[in-house]
Amino acid sequence: LAKTTQPISMDSYEGQEVNITCSHNNIATNDYITWYQQFPSQGPRFIIQGYKTKVTNEVASLFIPADRKSSTLSLPRVSLSDTAVYYCLVVDSSNTGKLIFGQGTTLQVKP
Amino acid sequence: NAGVTQTPKFQVLKTGQSMTLQCAQDMNHNSMYWYRQDPGMGLRLIYYSASEGTTDKGEVPNGYNVSRLNKREFSLRLESAAPSQTSVYFCASSEEAPQETQYFGPGTRLLVL
Repeated sequence: LAKTTQPISMDSYEGQEVNITCSHNNIATNDYITWYQQFPSQGPRFIIQGYKTKVTNEVASLFIPADRKSSTLSLPRVSLSDTAVYYCLVVDSSNTGKLIFGQGTTLQVKP
Repeated sequence: NAGVTQTPKFQVLKTGQSMTLQCAQDMNHNSMYWYRQDPGMGLRLIYYSASEGTTDKGEVPNGYNVSRLNKREFSLRLESAAPSQTSVYFCASSEEAPQETQYFGPGTRLLVL
């Protein structure tokens, strides 16, 4: 079964760039890696998704090396409102194709 | 357009009681999911339904049953609740495959005494 590993927590200051890495083995070769954001008492919300190399949207960038054994979510110039838990989501490479969420990284942005 | 709605928001059960968590989506999505979230464990998939009339087990299906009532609704049933099922339950939906963007409901907090 695929396994994901994320840092449990990270601290940052407003205006800084934050990089959160998720390590994942045994993920499906042809499936996407997806990142979600979750605020307290809410359901997760989609941030970004990628398959390889680099993807950028209006809120984040996602870097995926060629071996796809990890992915890095990059949040440019964070603000207090970016304080949340961030999860990576991968698909297991076995025939079951089960979805595997990481355990989540709690990002605390300080003024 | 409400997205994904879940009822109830909060429930307290005694060990051995049964209950059904309801989920509905109004985005005409084919796929729907039930997750549980426990402190330090992230989100774990209980069951999912790739399309109306089909359901499949996820990572932690034991103790649960599901019904895809129609395209809009996907319910989760606990036949005999146990304290280990105390958790926050999230329903989600996606247009097609699970790798696509999933839209989550607000969650149901369940306490089993």
